[in-house]
Amino acid sequence: KAGVTQTPRYLIKTRGQQVTLSCSPISGHRSVSWYQQTPGQGLQFLFEYFSETQRNKGNFPGRFSGRQFSNSRSEMNVSTLELGDSALYLCASSLTGGLNTEAFFGQGTRLTVV
Amino acid sequence: SQQGEEDPQALSIQEGENATMNCSYKTSINNLQWYRQNSGRGLVHLILIRSNEREKHSGRLRVTLDTSKKSSSLLITASRAADTASYFCATSSFTQGGSEKLVFGKGTKLTVNP
Repeated sequence: KAGVTQTPRYLIKTRGQQVTLSCSPISGHRSVSWYQQTPGQGLQFLFEYFSETQRNKGNFPGRFSGRQFSNSRSEMNVSTLELGDSALYLCASSLTGGLNTEAFFGQGTRLTVV
Repeated sequence: SQQGEEDPQALSIQEGENATMNCSYKTSINNLQWYRQNSGRGLVHLILIRSNEREKHSGRLRVTLDTSKKSSSLLITASRAADTASYFCATSSFTQGGSEKLVFGKGTKLTVNP
């Protein structure tokens, strides 16, 4: 069974640009969550999608958005990039994202904004 | 905001010794999970303990949960160099919208010296 796949693995962008990251969950998983990881702030929850609907959202500005497709694949988009957006972006999939379910993480996309 | 706070932030031990990491949290939880992250990579789920459980074992791992003190500990026995990684606790609780999300602490960086 294939794991969670995130693409691309590495990305370098310039301030002001926008970026789209992709996450393919484990087959059969319907919940996809996104996290931002930085040395200073640790792992911060961005949002969660379930059956193409955003079910939960963290405390990030509107520049961070996402969506989920009918096959459960998810994308997140960051517009007007800032230097502080440099981070490892992790996505996690789970069967339902509900009570007592285990989350499976991808390897992450390392975004560098210059 | 961080829910879980791990202690210590860093731990260095010799191979064969036991490693204990602690996690404290602030609000009521559904469950608490421990994850491992090798340098700059995705997180791997280690163990989940429900709020009505007090102790759980998985191989060389032992997790305890004290909901009255809002704390958990992860014990790795007979450590190996391959256990070198960062360890995170994550608490699961319901949001205002009724869904569930994982909130991670900042992690304990464990180094096991051969």
